[in-house]
Amino acid sequence: QKEVEQNSGPLSVPEGAIASLNCTYSDRGSQSFFWYRQYSGKSPELIMSIYSNGDKEDGRFTAQLNKASQYVSLLIRDSQPSDSATYLCAVNTSFQKLVFGTGTRLLVSP
Amino acid sequence: GAVVSQHPSRVICKSGTSVKIECRSLDFQATTMFWYRQFPKQSLMLMATSNEGSKATYEQGVEKDKFLINHASLTLSTLTVTSAHPEDSSFYICSARDWLAGSSYNEQFFGPGTRLTVL
Repeated sequence: QKEVEQNSGPLSVPEGAIASLNCTYSDRGSQSFFWYRQYSGKSPELIMSIYSNGDKEDGRFTAQLNKASQYVSLLIRDSQPSDSATYLCAVNTSFQKLVFGTGTRLLVSP
Repeated sequence: GAVVSQHPSRVICKSGTSVKIECRSLDFQATTMFWYRQFPKQSLMLMATSNEGSKATYEQGVEKDKFLINHASLTLSTLTVTSAHPEDSSFYICSARDWLAGSSYNEQFFGPGTRLTVL
Protein backbone atom coordinates (compact mmCIF):
# COMPACT_ATOMS: atom_id res chain seq x y z
CA GLN A 1 0.00 0.00 0.00
CA LYS A 2 1.35 3.39 -0.97
CA GLU A 3 1.74 5.92 1.80
CA VAL A 4 -0.26 8.57 -0.05
CA GLU A 5 -2.62 7.64 -2.87
CA GLN A 6 -4.31 9.82 -5.44
CA ASN A 7 -6.14 9.09 -8.63
CA SER A 8 -3.83 10.19 -11.43
CA GLY A 9 -6.70 11.44 -13.60
CA PRO A 10 -7.06 13.40 -15.70
CA LEU A 11 -10.11 14.86 -14.03
CA SER A 12 -11.96 16.92 -16.60
CA VAL A 13 -14.48 19.55 -15.54
CA PRO A 14 -16.12 22.42 -17.43
CA GLU A 15 -15.37 26.01 -16.49
CA GLY A 16 -17.47 27.12 -13.52
CA ALA A 17 -17.97 23.62 -12.14
CA ILE A 18 -16.71 22.20 -8.85
CA ALA A 19 -13.62 20.03 -9.06
CA SER A 20 -13.23 17.41 -6.35
CA LEU A 21 -9.81 15.90 -5.69
CA ASN A 22 -9.26 13.05 -3.28
CA CYS A 23 -6.37 11.58 -1.35
CA THR A 24 -5.95 8.71 1.11
CA TYR A 25 -3.01 8.01 3.37
CA SER A 26 -1.79 5.03 5.33
CA ASP A 27 -0.01 6.46 8.40
CA ARG A 28 -2.61 6.97 11.14
CA GLY A 29 -0.13 9.09 13.08
CA SER A 30 -0.08 11.77 10.40
CA GLN A 31 -1.04 15.17 11.75
CA SER A 32 -0.74 17.74 8.98
CA PHE A 33 -1.88 17.67 5.40
CA PHE A 34 -1.21 19.87 2.42
CA TRP A 35 -2.37 20.45 -1.10
CA TYR A 36 0.12 21.73 -3.63
CA ARG A 37 -0.56 22.83 -7.17
CA GLN A 38 2.09 22.09 -9.79
CA TYR A 39 2.03 23.46 -13.31
CA SER A 40 3.93 21.56 -15.96
CA GLY A 41 7.66 22.18 -15.67
CA LYS A 42 7.28 24.20 -12.48
CA SER A 43 7.76 23.46 -8.80
CA PRO A 44 4.86 22.86 -6.38
CA GLU A 45 2.99 25.80 -4.90
CA LEU A 46 1.29 25.45 -1.52
CA ILE A 47 -2.40 26.25 -1.78
CA MET A 48 -3.96 24.70 1.33
CA SER A 49 -2.96 23.21 4.64
CA ILE A 50 -5.25 21.45 7.11
CA TYR A 51 -4.48 20.05 10.52
CA SER A 52 -7.80 19.12 12.15
CA ASN A 53 -10.88 17.20 11.11
CA GLY A 54 -13.50 19.08 9.18
CA ASP A 55 -13.46 21.70 6.48
CA LYS A 56 -11.14 24.62 5.88
CA GLU A 57 -12.07 27.23 3.30
CA ASP A 58 -9.82 29.73 1.54
CA GLY A 59 -11.39 31.59 -1.34
CA ARG A 60 -12.49 29.09 -3.98
CA PHE A 61 -10.64 26.26 -2.26
CA THR A 62 -11.98 24.02 0.50
CA ALA A 63 -9.90 21.30 2.11
CA GLN A 64 -11.64 18.50 3.97
CA LEU A 65 -10.00 16.13 6.43
CA ASN A 66 -11.31 12.92 7.98
CA LYS A 67 -8.61 11.32 10.08
CA ALA A 68 -10.77 8.33 11.03
CA SER A 69 -11.13 7.44 7.35
CA GLN A 70 -7.57 8.61 6.54
CA TYR A 71 -8.97 10.76 3.81
CA VAL A 72 -8.31 14.31 2.70
CA SER A 73 -9.90 16.14 -0.20
CA LEU A 74 -9.75 19.44 -2.03
CA LEU A 75 -12.73 21.14 -3.60
CA ILE A 76 -12.24 23.89 -6.15
CA ARG A 77 -15.37 25.95 -6.75
CA ASP A 78 -16.01 27.94 -9.92
CA SER A 79 -13.15 26.16 -11.68
CA GLN A 80 -11.19 28.23 -14.16
CA PRO A 81 -8.98 27.12 -17.06
CA SER A 82 -6.06 28.56 -15.12
CA ASP A 83 -6.72 25.92 -12.44
CA SER A 84 -5.62 23.25 -14.92
CA ALA A 85 -2.57 21.69 -13.27
CA THR A 86 -1.47 18.68 -11.28
CA TYR A 87 -2.58 18.74 -7.65
CA LEU A 88 -0.31 17.02 -5.17
CA CYS A 89 -1.52 15.78 -1.83
CA ALA A 90 1.22 15.80 0.81
CA VAL A 91 1.08 14.23 4.25
CA ASN A 92 3.39 14.92 7.16
CA THR A 93 3.76 11.44 8.56
CA SER A 94 4.47 10.40 12.13
CA PHE A 95 8.14 10.27 11.11
CA GLN A 96 7.99 14.02 10.40
CA LYS A 97 8.49 13.49 6.71
CA LEU A 98 6.42 15.06 3.99
CA VAL A 99 5.26 12.30 1.68
CA PHE A 100 3.70 13.22 -1.64
CA GLY A 101 1.12 11.44 -3.70
CA THR A 102 1.66 11.06 -7.42
CA GLY A 103 -0.80 13.85 -8.10
CA THR A 104 -4.11 14.28 -9.90
CA ARG A 105 -4.12 16.08 -13.19
CA LEU A 106 -7.02 18.53 -13.46
CA LEU A 107 -8.23 19.84 -16.81
CA VAL A 108 -10.74 22.70 -16.82
CA SER A 109 -12.25 23.28 -20.23
CA PRO A 110 -13.56 26.74 -21.27
CA GLY B 1 6.30 36.09 2.39
CA ALA B 2 7.82 32.59 2.43
CA VAL B 3 9.79 32.99 -0.80
CA VAL B 4 12.45 30.46 -1.71
CA SER B 5 14.81 31.00 -4.61
CA GLN B 6 16.95 28.48 -6.43
CA HIS B 7 19.86 28.95 -8.78
CA PRO B 8 20.46 27.99 -11.52
CA SER B 9 17.06 27.25 -12.98
CA ARG B 10 18.50 25.09 -15.70
CA VAL B 11 21.88 23.49 -16.26
CA ILE B 12 23.30 21.27 -18.96
CA CYS B 13 26.61 19.60 -18.27
CA LYS B 14 28.85 16.85 -19.56
CA SER B 15 29.02 13.49 -17.88
CA GLY B 16 31.60 13.42 -15.10
CA THR B 17 31.36 17.07 -14.13
CA SER B 18 30.01 18.45 -10.85
CA VAL B 19 27.08 20.80 -10.55
CA LYS B 20 26.22 23.05 -7.60
CA ILE B 21 22.65 24.18 -6.93
CA GLU B 22 21.87 26.96 -4.45
CA CYS B 23 18.69 27.29 -2.42
CA ARG B 24 17.91 30.48 -0.51
CA SER B 25 15.08 31.53 1.75
CA LEU B 26 14.57 35.21 0.91
CA ASP B 27 12.27 36.57 3.59
CA PHE B 28 12.54 34.11 6.45
CA GLN B 29 15.11 32.05 8.27
CA ALA B 30 15.12 28.34 7.62
CA THR B 31 16.84 26.06 10.09
CA THR B 32 15.74 23.14 7.97
CA MET B 33 15.76 22.81 4.21
CA PHE B 34 14.88 19.82 2.11
CA TRP B 35 16.08 18.55 -1.25
CA TYR B 36 13.74 16.66 -3.55
CA ARG B 37 14.08 15.07 -6.95
CA GLN B 38 11.31 14.62 -9.46
CA PHE B 39 11.55 12.46 -12.56
CA PRO B 40 9.08 12.97 -15.44
CA LYS B 41 5.50 12.03 -14.59
CA GLN B 42 6.51 11.01 -11.08
CA SER B 43 6.00 12.65 -7.73
CA LEU B 44 8.54 14.37 -5.55
CA MET B 45 10.96 12.12 -3.74
CA LEU B 46 12.80 13.41 -0.71
CA MET B 47 16.55 13.06 -1.09
CA ALA B 48 17.81 14.63 2.12
CA THR B 49 17.03 16.92 5.01
CA SER B 50 19.48 19.72 5.58
CA ASN B 51 19.87 21.34 9.00
CA GLU B 52 21.78 24.54 9.50
CA GLY B 53 25.19 23.91 10.99
CA SER B 54 24.99 20.13 10.97
CA LYS B 55 25.29 17.21 8.59
CA ALA B 56 22.45 16.42 6.26
CA THR B 57 20.26 13.37 6.75
CA TYR B 58 19.94 11.33 3.59
CA GLU B 59 17.05 9.10 2.59
CA GLN B 60 17.63 5.44 1.96
CA GLY B 61 19.16 4.83 -1.43
CA VAL B 62 20.57 8.34 -1.84
CA GLU B 63 24.37 8.40 -2.03
CA LYS B 64 25.69 11.03 0.34
CA ASP B 65 29.09 11.09 -1.38
CA LYS B 66 27.45 11.83 -4.69
CA PHE B 67 24.96 14.42 -3.50
CA LEU B 68 26.85 16.77 -1.20
CA ILE B 69 24.71 19.08 0.89
CA ASN B 70 25.91 22.10 2.81
CA HIS B 71 23.68 24.31 4.98
CA ALA B 72 26.07 27.00 6.12
CA SER B 73 23.56 29.66 7.13
CA LEU B 74 19.91 30.09 8.05
CA THR B 75 19.12 31.22 4.51
CA LEU B 76 21.33 29.12 2.25
CA SER B 77 21.67 25.45 1.44
CA THR B 78 23.61 24.00 -1.48
CA LEU B 79 23.40 20.67 -3.28
CA THR B 80 26.39 19.53 -5.30
CA VAL B 81 25.91 16.66 -7.71
CA THR B 82 29.38 15.20 -8.06
CA SER B 83 30.52 13.30 -11.15
CA ALA B 84 27.12 13.65 -12.72
CA HIS B 85 25.89 10.98 -15.13
CA PRO B 86 22.92 10.94 -17.52
CA GLU B 87 20.80 9.02 -14.99
CA ASP B 88 21.14 12.00 -12.64
CA SER B 89 19.20 14.14 -15.10
CA SER B 90 16.12 15.27 -13.23
CA PHE B 91 14.25 18.20 -11.73
CA TYR B 92 15.82 19.10 -8.38
CA ILE B 93 13.68 21.13 -6.02
CA CYS B 94 14.52 22.53 -2.62
CA SER B 95 12.11 23.56 0.08
CA ALA B 96 12.42 25.42 3.33
CA ARG B 97 10.58 25.45 6.59
CA ASP B 98 10.21 28.73 8.49
CA TRP B 99 11.80 28.24 11.92
CA LEU B 100 9.26 30.55 13.50
CA ALA B 101 6.40 28.30 12.40
CA GLY B 102 5.56 25.14 14.25
CA SER B 103 8.02 22.53 13.06
CA SER B 104 5.58 19.77 13.92
CA TYR B 105 3.37 20.87 11.05
CA ASN B 106 6.27 20.62 8.59
CA GLU B 107 4.82 23.22 6.23
CA GLN B 108 7.31 23.63 3.42
CA PHE B 109 7.74 26.28 0.76
CA PHE B 110 9.36 25.26 -2.47
CA GLY B 111 11.93 26.91 -4.67
CA PRO B 112 11.35 27.11 -8.43
CA GLY B 113 13.49 24.06 -9.12
CA THR B 114 16.59 23.31 -11.16
CA ARG B 115 16.37 21.18 -14.27
CA LEU B 116 19.59 19.24 -14.67
CA THR B 117 20.48 17.59 -17.96
CA VAL B 118 23.64 15.50 -18.08
CA LEU B 119 24.86 14.68 -21.57
